[in-house]
Amino acid sequence: AQTVTQSQPEMSVQEAETVTLSCTYDTSESDYYLFWYKQPPSRQMILVIRQEAYKQQNATENRFSVNFQKAAKSFSLKISDSQLGDAAMYFCAYPAGGTSYGKLTFGQGTILTVHP
Amino acid sequence: DTEVTQTPKHLVMGMTNKKSLKCEQHMGHRAMYWYKQKAKKPPELMFVYSYEKLSINESVPSRFSPECPNSSLLNLHLHALQPEDSALYLCASSQDSGLQETQYFGPGTRLLVL
Repeated sequence: AQTVTQSQPEMSVQEAETVTLSCTYDTSESDYYLFWYKQPPSRQMILVIRQEAYKQQNATENRFSVNFQKAAKSFSLKISDSQLGDAAMYFCAYPAGGTSYGKLTFGQGTILTVHP
Repeated sequence: DTEVTQTPKHLVMGMTNKKSLKCEQHMGHRAMYWYKQKAKKPPELMFVYSYEKLSINESVPSRFSPECPNSSLLNLHLHALQPEDSALYLCASSQDSGLQETQYFGPGTRLLVL
């Protein structure tokens, strides 16, 4: 079974500091994307960043970057210069293969609290 | 523009009611999805439409009936729901279905079944 694991149910960070959210996944596919989504209390699921598995270079979007370790099947999200607006639930996600081709499999989520 | 819209934002219905949720996108995407999400849990896939045809049904009870009238519109018809069906219902779309596709989500419909 293809799974996504987020081992940190909750994390907290001080404003302006850096925090890293972890994610591991299991797949037999060789070419795929990985995603981090953010869901604030306002509830809309927003794409934060995506990584193409065949690319060695880690993806970066402004203050958000990933540490992608394909062999270890690890995909962590680093948030630099944390802001109050970063407070949300963060989901790591991976599209399944096989008979559920393209179905997004989500981790259980990490609730991020940002302290002023 | 990566906008997916959903109506209504909130819905309260009795167990004997019939209601519908609507989702719309104008990005030319050919895959559309319905998810159900309980509080503090990840979304659970319900249905996938690819090129206006139902491609995945995740063993969803028949009281949920999806419909894709055209490539931009996705409906979810609700009938005889149970209180445990109360949840946030999210719609998403992507260019196509596959391992290299990015799904964009709408704001959701908060459903309460009394």
